[in-house]
Amino acid sequence: QVQVQESGPGLVKPSETLSLTCSVSGGSVSSGSYYWTWIRQPPGKGLEWIGYFYYSGSTNYNPSLKSRVTISVDTSKSHFSLKVSSVTAADTAVYYCARGGSSSVGDAFDIWGQGTMVTVSS
Amino acid sequence: SYELTQPPSVSVSPGQTASITCSGDKLGDKYACWYQQKPGQSPVLVIYQDNKRPSGIPERFSGSNSGNTATLTISGTQAMDEADYYCQAWDSRTVVFGGGTKLTVL
Repeated sequence: QVQVQESGPGLVKPSETLSLTCSVSGGSVSSGSYYWTWIRQPPGKGLEWIGYFYYSGSTNYNPSLKSRVTISVDTSKSHFSLKVSSVTAADTAVYYCARGGSSSVGDAFDIWGQGTMVTVSS
Repeated sequence: SYELTQPPSVSVSPGQTASITCSGDKLGDKYACWYQQKPGQSPVLVIYQDNKRPSGIPERFSGSNSGNTATLTISGTQAMDEADYYCQAWDSRTVVFGGGTKLTVL
């Protein structure tokens, strides 16, 4: 049973870079045709897709965040990472990692982490 | 950019049928899926590819998608179904979420 879990600092200063890691257990980020994805949710608001790393090696990002976001995969350590540069208070959110593209549910996201709260504040 | 629109809130009495809509341009030409999110929890996939239920999701959850509207239907709604529901689709290799609907069971 594949599981994913987010980790990283809960507090980031404005203008700095937010860095999070999603650890994958029970499976590998380098196997299968999956979308390894980051999604966030500001307090009291809805879900916002950040971007994904596709198993083929390609990435794709939300156009509204593209200039500040990087998603990468470390296959040897079976995790994938998110970096968001030049953060502001608007980046304060619960950040989720998720897996999409399973053969059992098509392109939907069937596995989610528990989420990690990141606050941007000095 | 592509947008999905949901009503902010829907209310339903226990045992009745709840319908939550999701509107987008030619949404029926895409696959829609739905997530349930309870307070303090991660989203859970309840419908994928318009009308399919993942393993473990009760039969009272169903979905449809045609024209510009996808609909999540919960038959015989129970108190435990009170939650936020989000629709989601893909557009040009990007992921789009609706704004979410708060389902109140009262």
